[in-house]
Amino acid sequence: QKEVEQNSGPLSVPEGAIASLNCTYSDRGSQSFFWYRQYSGKSPELIMFIYSNGDKEDGRFTAQLNKASQYVSLLIRDSQPSDSATYLCAVRSNYQLIWGAGTKLIIKP
Amino acid sequence: NAGVTQTPKFQVLKTGQSMTLQCAQDMNHNSMYWYRQDPGMGLRLIYYSASEGTTDKGEVPNGYNVSRLNKREFSLRLESAAPSQTSVYFCASSSTSGGVGNEQFFGPGTRLTVL
Repeated sequence: QKEVEQNSGPLSVPEGAIASLNCTYSDRGSQSFFWYRQYSGKSPELIMFIYSNGDKEDGRFTAQLNKASQYVSLLIRDSQPSDSATYLCAVRSNYQLIWGAGTKLIIKP
Repeated sequence: NAGVTQTPKFQVLKTGQSMTLQCAQDMNHNSMYWYRQDPGMGLRLIYYSASEGTTDKGEVPNGYNVSRLNKREFSLRLESAAPSQTSVYFCASSSTSGGVGNEQFFGPGTRLTVL
């Protein structure tokens, strides 16, 4: 059974600090990795995705991949209260996305 | 451009009743998906349709059926609802089901309670 694991949190971070979210995956053959944000009562929305060939930065968000250790990280710089949400990690395995249960992030003003 | 739409937004059923959840996308995507989301658990794939005319079982298909009506529409049917099917149901679509990248876009969800 292919799995994606995330710490459920909550992870509490002061406003303006860096929030670091991690997820580990079991399928060594995975090549695409996704981070989604989900506000309470809403649907998941894509933040960014990365391929197996490198990290990616988009504004305040950076996604990093460590293939040897099989984990993916999402860094959020200059955290804002509006970043408070649950962050879902998803890993492509064959034709499906395998989802983690999400990490709840709370940004404290 | 509405993206992915779902109806209804909320539904309460009694055990044994049937219903169909509707999903439509206007992004000209080939692939569509039905997920359920339960507290403390990740999204679990119920069924997916890689392209018009095809459907395949996902991780938790028991108790559900699907129909890919055309390229735009993908419906999920509960023939005899059970309390274990109380959940939030999301429909999603993507340009294709394979390949690298290929993000999925989600509808607003249907909150279903089975009494």
